[in-house]
Amino acid sequence: AQRVTQPEKLLSVFKGAPVELKCNYSYSGSPELFWYVQYSRQRLQLLLRHISRESIKGFTADLNKGETSFHLKKPFAQEEDSAMYYCALRSGGYQKVTFGTGTKLQVIP
Amino acid sequence: NAGVTQTPKFQVLKTGQSMTLQCAQDMNHEYMSWYRQDPGMGLRLIHYSVGAGITDQGEVPNGYNVSRSTTEDFPLRLLSAAPSQTSVYFCASSKPRTSGLQSSYNEQFFGPGTRLTVL
Repeated sequence: AQRVTQPEKLLSVFKGAPVELKCNYSYSGSPELFWYVQYSRQRLQLLLRHISRESIKGFTADLNKGETSFHLKKPFAQEEDSAMYYCALRSGGYQKVTFGTGTKLQVIP
Repeated sequence: NAGVTQTPKFQVLKTGQSMTLQCAQDMNHEYMSWYRQDPGMGLRLIHYSVGAGITDQGEVPNGYNVSRSTTEDFPLRLLSAAPSQTSVYFCASSKPRTSGLQSSYNEQFFGPGTRLTVL
């Protein structure tokens, strides 16, 4: 069975400080991993996906198959980054996407 | 395009009542899913569909029924509501039928959610 673990329910950082939101997964096959973000009073939306190897809003995430991790990082946090972040894993079964429990990022001015 | 729409936005039910949460998408997506979001538990998959006439169970299907008679619509039915079904429900869709980018297939687009309270 696939599983996604986000160990932190809440992460508070000061503006300008580095951010790392942790995500670990367990899956026997080749996973496809995503980070979704939900800003206050907005719908859930895709932030980035590992296959694109992109940087969105200053965030990056690298898939580490050895450590089965997909941590989300940003070198300098901004107040507008405050939101709920979900790590998600899509297995070969197309729409069987498993989400983590989410981490609330709070950026303190 | 409206994207993914859900109705109603809010609903209060009494235990034992039935209702249908509506979900529609106008992006010609093949895949649609229903999730529930509970504090400390993230999003959990209830049911999903890979096309019209095809549905399957997710992680927490008990107490919910779905059908997919058209590509656009994917209603979620609660047959006999229970307080444990108090939650925020999200519908999502993905995989356009035609796309030049393989990577675009798997991004899920979410609706605004329905907040359901069962008394």
